[in-house]
Amino acid sequence: DVKVTQSSRYLVKRTGEKVFLECVQDMDHENMFWYRQDPGLGLRLIYFSYDVKMKEKGDIPEGYSVSREKKERFSLILESASTNQTSMYLCASQLGRRDRPQHFGDGTRLSIL
Amino acid sequence: AQKVTQAQTEISVVEKEDVTLDCVYETRDTTYYLFWYKQPPSGELVFLIRRNSFDEQNEISGRYSWNFQKSTSSFNFTITASQVVDSAVYFCALSGEFTGGGADGLTFGKGTHLIIQP
Repeated sequence: DVKVTQSSRYLVKRTGEKVFLECVQDMDHENMFWYRQDPGLGLRLIYFSYDVKMKEKGDIPEGYSVSREKKERFSLILESASTNQTSMYLCASQLGRRDRPQHFGDGTRLSIL
Repeated sequence: AQKVTQAQTEISVVEKEDVTLDCVYETRDTTYYLFWYKQPPSGELVFLIRRNSFDEQNEISGRYSWNFQKSTSSFNFTITASQVVDSAVYFCALSGEFTGGGADGLTFGKGTHLIIQP
């Protein structure tokens, strides 16, 4: 079974802080993704990566950056956290083909105070 | 731009009833992939099924069945003889527009909250 592990289940940070959300997968998947989930809006794609050091913007990249230095790890960075980034963040990994399902972690519920 | 519409925000039924969750999509791609995911109260998204755009066969898996109709751009999900454990938020999703790369994010609907009452 694919295992996608997100480093924190709950996180509380302050406005202006630099925040790191970490995600690790154990199935040697090429593709990794970050989404945020908000009530009434569903899941929205922030960034994704199809290879080490490669990244692509999703639908809502503003205020975020990512890092993929190793194949198994994909980090989401909030450069200067703001209250409108309070949300549930979900990481996913996928074998390197569009028709393969994405496998999700348990999510990180991030609160920015 | 791509779009997935799940018009039913919340559905509540009594256990053992059949229930259908609707999903309508828009895409300009000729080859695309549709997915259903389940999100129980614990929060993790669980993959249920994938359907290719060129395969319109309906699928049945136990109490679950899926009806894909390209003519109406719909991919509906039916649970037969519902159980309390089916209570969850269900998401329909569409593969991203093909850009020539090896990865695309998914476009999700807003989800349908299904409540099965005992």
